[in-house]
Amino acid sequence: DGGITQSPKYLFRKEGQNVTLSCEQNLNHDAMYWYRQDPGQGLRLIYYSQIVNDFQKGDIAEGYSVSREKKESFPLTVTSAQKNPTAFYLCASIGDSNEQFFGPGTRLTVL
Amino acid sequence: LAKTTQPVSMDSYEGQEVNITCSHNNIATNDYITWYQQFPSQGPRFIIQGYKTKVTNEVASLFIPADRKSSTLSLPRVSLSDTAVYYCLVGGKIKAAGNKLTFGGGTRVLVKP
Repeated sequence: DGGITQSPKYLFRKEGQNVTLSCEQNLNHDAMYWYRQDPGQGLRLIYYSQIVNDFQKGDIAEGYSVSREKKESFPLTVTSAQKNPTAFYLCASIGDSNEQFFGPGTRLTVL
Repeated sequence: LAKTTQPVSMDSYEGQEVNITCSHNNIATNDYITWYQQFPSQGPRFIIQGYKTKVTNEVASLFIPADRKSSTLSLPRVSLSDTAVYYCLVGGKIKAAGNKLTFGGGTRVLVKP
């Protein structure tokens, strides 16, 4: 099956720790995105990448980092500099059809 | 990127038609309009996309007036399972420069029995 996978589904972190969220797609899409969603709120763009080895900051990039070494993978690291990281994180990719495909999400909780 | 404005919430009843209007006054010439549906704790799901006039698929219709400064998503004969948040997104084709896709706050639709 083609699609986007995110892991883990639930993640718990202690304050001061860095954590990395995985996002993998087998849709052969060039562009990939990371969003953050807080309870009852819309999606906010963290980072996006249009092509391998290139990425741009979104609206709330502070405290986050990404890499795009492979077309299929776009991991997101939540660093200790992110003061309020507890949220639902969504990864998406988009191809020529301009339709964004989303993964199932990772719910991060800081203890 | 064109900013979008949608109603925060809407209530409806089973079997009724739901129309959600999105305003995008500064839409660019090469921008498309896309609507997504999101259920709690899930990623958004693509519903429909259009550029002008009317687009229809098996789940919805999208009406876009000639000036393209707004669009209306129409959900015919809604059921309880259509209760969700609906997002309007405006942006250019991926191959064009600057494909930063930003979501607005969305419209929370509650379908009642």
